[in-house]
Order: sequence, then structure tokens, then C-alpha cells
Amino acid sequence: EEQLVQSGAEVKKPGESLKISCKASGYRFTTYWIAWVRQMPGKGLEWMGIIYPGDSDTRYSPSFQGQVTISADKSINTVYLQWSSLKASDTAIYYCARHSAYCSGGNCFPAWLDPWGQGTLVTVSS
Amino acid sequence: DIVMTQSPDSLAVSLGERATINCRSSQSVLHRPTNNNYLAWYQQKPGQPPKMLIYWASTRKSGVPDRFSGSGSGTDFTLTISSLQTEDVAVYYCQQYHTTPPTFGQGTRVEIQ
Repeated sequence: EEQLVQSGAEVKKPGESLKISCKASGYRFTTYWIAWVRQMPGKGLEWMGIIYPGDSDTRYSPSFQGQVTISADKSINTVYLQWSSLKASDTAIYYCARHSAYCSGGNCFPAWLDPWGQGTLVTVSS
Repeated sequence: DIVMTQSPDSLAVSLGERATINCRSSQSVLHRPTNNNYLAWYQQKPGQPPKMLIYWASTRKSGVPDRFSGSGSGTDFTLTISSLQTEDVAVYYCQQYHTTPPTFGQGTRVEIQ
């Protein structure tokens, strides 16, 4: 079964650092993009960025560029999302999800997201 | 970024009746060389992660009930639930993947009337 399993809920104070994880299984980890998606309390879905574990090529949404870092360790089929200094506004559920891809003109691009991890609730409060 | 706008924000439908959700993109997500529309639909039930239902605007994922169908092209798309069931109560999102970053609609909440 293809699945993504995320690390558990976190409670942090503003200014603290954090790294959450997403472990993939059931498919060839290095050949699919993995995305991180934010869902703030009671709100919709926001695509943050992606990583291609095969070569660690990483792309960020302009809204999240410089705010978070996405990385991968292909030896353990795991992708990470990290913050160096959390803010209260980072309180949200963070999902990892695998991108299917479409290819055009010799390049491949992220498409739909399936499957999704179960989500990691990050609470930032003083 | 392509802006995705869904309508309505919420709707209440009687059991067994049809539910229709609209999604409009700020620019076309049709890839003319392939005639594919780069649009997906997701279902998110309370307390759960989203689940992908439909991709390429109208291709149903294996295992998704056939009461779910997607249609449309260019900038205007529709997700239809032909006969609403209790288990379909959820928030539904459209997502374009024509341009990076992929972007989602704001979501449409479907409830039982």
C-alpha cells in the first residue's frame, strides 16, 4: 500500500525551531515529487512547496519562500519541513502529499496530489 | 498565480438529490496540445486529510463511487454528486496543476438538508 506517515503533533513557543517529518512507503520514493500543504484552523488548503527526493530539487510557493525549508533523506524515505523561528501564525495542520506528474516537452511537472499523509498539527503559543 | 474560485461556499442538499459545485480559474487550465484540463477535485471529511477524487477534470480515481463526476473545460468546471449520500458530507476543493504553484479553490461545504 502506498502511504505517507507523518510525525506527531507539536506544541511550540514563538521563536522556537521545529522539524516535522513524512515517511513514505509502498512505492519508489525517489521518483515522485512530495509536497507540503498548509491548512490553517478552519481554512482551506495552501500549497507550500515540493521536493523531488531523487535529486533534492526543491521549489517553493512565493508565499512560503524563505519561511520554511523542505528537505529529504532518501536513505530512510523521509521528507521534512522545518522552521528556524516559529510564529503564532504558523499554527496549522501540515500535510505531506505525493504529486503525480505530467510530462511535456521533455520536462515533468507536479500534477494532482495522492496519497496524503494524516497531517501534523503544529500549535505555536506562548 | 492562478486563482481558483468555487461556488457556492456551502450548500445543503437532501439525501438522494444532486449536488453541484462550481470551480472557476482566473486563466485557462486547458493544455491545447493534449486537450487535457489540468484540474483535480478533492474531498475532505471532518478530521481527515483530503482525498483525491478526480483528475484531468473528469477522470475518476479508481474506487471512487460513480455518483461523483467532473466536467468542464478551459476556466469553468463542475463537480457533481448525482445522488447525495450521508458519507458525502465534506468540504470539496478544486485544484489546478497547469501552472506552478498549484493552487486550490477556497472549498465548498456540502451538508445534508
